[in-house]
Amino acid sequence: NAGVMQNPRHLVRRRGQEARLRCSPMKGHSHVYWYRQLPEEGLKFMVYLQKENIIDESGMPKERFSAEFPKEGPSILRIQQVVRGDSAAYFCASSSYRDRASGANVLTFGAGSRLTVL
Amino acid sequence: DQQVKQNSPSLSVQEGRISILNCDYTNSMFDYFLWYKKYPAEGPTFLISISSIKDKNEDGRFTVFLNKSAKHLSLHIVPSQPGDSAVYFCAASVYAGNMLTFGGGTRLMVKP
Repeated sequence: NAGVMQNPRHLVRRRGQEARLRCSPMKGHSHVYWYRQLPEEGLKFMVYLQKENIIDESGMPKERFSAEFPKEGPSILRIQQVVRGDSAAYFCASSSYRDRASGANVLTFGAGSRLTVL
Repeated sequence: DQQVKQNSPSLSVQEGRISILNCDYTNSMFDYFLWYKKYPAEGPTFLISISSIKDKNEDGRFTVFLNKSAKHLSLHIVPSQPGDSAVYFCAASVYAGNMLTFGGGTRLMVKP
């Protein structure tokens, strides 16, 4: 997981505050995926971005959530006016390679940012 | 609408025995299937994958089987080791460059 860097690793916010999560993909990669893992659940796709473009945001909640990946700097997932239900682990991934055995696009994930909303 | 399901939330196996983790899917458009392993406080790491044109792929102790007609895949780990204890996620994509849809995970515990 060393190639995809996420920070902060842990973030505590009170209800109504804003949370900003950052992701730097593997070196040379210009695409990132954001996933969310709620407690005791699987990973749910949120958004797929390339530099300065949102490719697919079909998994993003309609309100309070936004994502960007500027030309310079990390990708940022922003959650405004956080609520307790936003408490989760947020993972970022970039496409690292095609698996030779199958041709599948393998995503490499960061270690995640764990958001706790009090 | 869960397109990828792992119906067993947990599995306990004795060291040295076989672990079989199962996954079902509903979207017949899925072309690629992947298994990821996740330790606590870490991100998922890729384990093995299979394309829809194959029915088996083997890599060391890990083998993935795909039954397209049943929309079912399984991961076999033989022999199981205590270090295999983790949460295993199956994932699928419609084409190689598309995003992955994950199942809910199965927690594997391998007892020494």
